[in-house]
Amino acid sequence: EAGVAQSPRYKIIEKRQSVAFWCNPISGHATLYWYQQILGQGPKLLIQFQNNGVVDDSQLPKDRFSAERLKGVDSTLKIQPAKLEDSAVYLCASSRNRGTNTEAFFGQGTRLTVV
Amino acid sequence: LAKTTQPISMDSYEGQEVNITCSHNNIATNDYITWYQQFPSQGPRFIIQGYKTKVTNEVASLFIPADRKSSTLSLPRVSLSDTAVYYCLVGGSGAGSYQLTFGKGTKLSVIP
Repeated sequence: EAGVAQSPRYKIIEKRQSVAFWCNPISGHATLYWYQQILGQGPKLLIQFQNNGVVDDSQLPKDRFSAERLKGVDSTLKIQPAKLEDSAVYLCASSRNRGTNTEAFFGQGTRLTVV
Repeated sequence: LAKTTQPISMDSYEGQEVNITCSHNNIATNDYITWYQQFPSQGPRFIIQGYKTKVTNEVASLFIPADRKSSTLSLPRVSLSDTAVYYCLVGGSGAGSYQLTFGKGTKLSVIP
């Protein structure tokens, strides 16, 4: 089966600009996650969707970050305006979510550099 | 969510068995233990998951004692390609979907 697709792979923007990332999960996967991974650290969950509803966005900086998952399939994550500390890899993952013992599949990520 | 503690880094020679232990003293009854592997410039990849006793697949084994307060990921006869960061995750079903929280991970370096 096709994996989780993310685009773009790389993005360089100036601080205070806006940026958007796109994720296409594996077909049939109900749960979608967005993570932020700063160099040398583990992935930090930003937001989790179950179909098109938000399950957890407690660590999403809502003053500048937003995410949506229209029709419970594709998802976009937006940053507006960007700060230098937003430089990181943004990872999207999806899982089938049938019970508790479910495996998540990750995309390759989008590497964002804010200058 | 149960907090996990694992070594920051480990070194091993090629061909050796590597055991990475993760502590999770506050694990809940419905929590599963899952390990992920991450190579540079890639997203994490699922390795193995278990609830109790022992689980084995083609890549690794997972040992979980009866009290479930710790778990050990065992990689048999590692090669250079096993150099990666390994994450131990503990979580169960919350709000109808599976919670996936990463810690700092263990950076495994395999030496020729």
